[in-house]
Amino acid sequence: QKEVEQDPGPLSVPEGAIVSLNCTYSNSAFQYFMWYRQYSRKGPELLMYTYSSGNKEDGRFTAQVDKSSKYISLFIRDSQPSDSATYLCAMSSANTGNQFYFGTGTSLTVIP
Amino acid sequence: DAGVTQSPTHLIKTRGQQVTLRCSPKSGHDTVSWYQQALGQGPQFIFQYYEEEERQRGNFPDRFSGHQFPNYSSELNVNALLLGDSALYLCASSTRYEQYFGPGTRLTVT
Repeated sequence: QKEVEQDPGPLSVPEGAIVSLNCTYSNSAFQYFMWYRQYSRKGPELLMYTYSSGNKEDGRFTAQVDKSSKYISLFIRDSQPSDSATYLCAMSSANTGNQFYFGTGTSLTVIP
Repeated sequence: DAGVTQSPTHLIKTRGQQVTLRCSPKSGHDTVSWYQQALGQGPQFIFQYYEEEERQRGNFPDRFSGHQFPNYSSELNVNALLLGDSALYLCASSTRYEQYFGPGTRLTVT
């Protein structure tokens, strides 16, 4: 079983839609949860960073962590064509010695 | 702040050759990690350097080695290149639990 599971998609939505991206994980020790956006042939860009459970909002983006279910989500409101990219979840803990574990990424296309 | 920088941007090598990739971390960051990202996959952890020492290593063979310099910059060396080493190589610098990536070096092995 992989440490982090993420549906690769692809996901295609109309402009203005609400997008929900999700990851599940197996290691209950994970405490730090991140979402990255990666455009084609570029390095990942840190979008959101959350510690432990709960919600965090930044503009059109909301990150949710449910540690009891080992499930994290990223919501994008009022999606824009510029949001078209691959979204990667990543997580780590003190027990993993600062090693970050990534999902495979979900490819998102927002259609104008 | 220049962010994380990597060089070169692209590289083409022949099977069996050796390659060195370079990374400069974000200002204020003392920890550098290297990742390999194959097409359509998430980044796979190679190793991490802190205070000029390899602190942790992923599941990669000894052909992959690295170095960190006193100014926190880092190099990734890959010996005896295989076709399967073709990938985007990402450098990331971090505070304790927040990582920032560079643009990557795309390595093609022919």
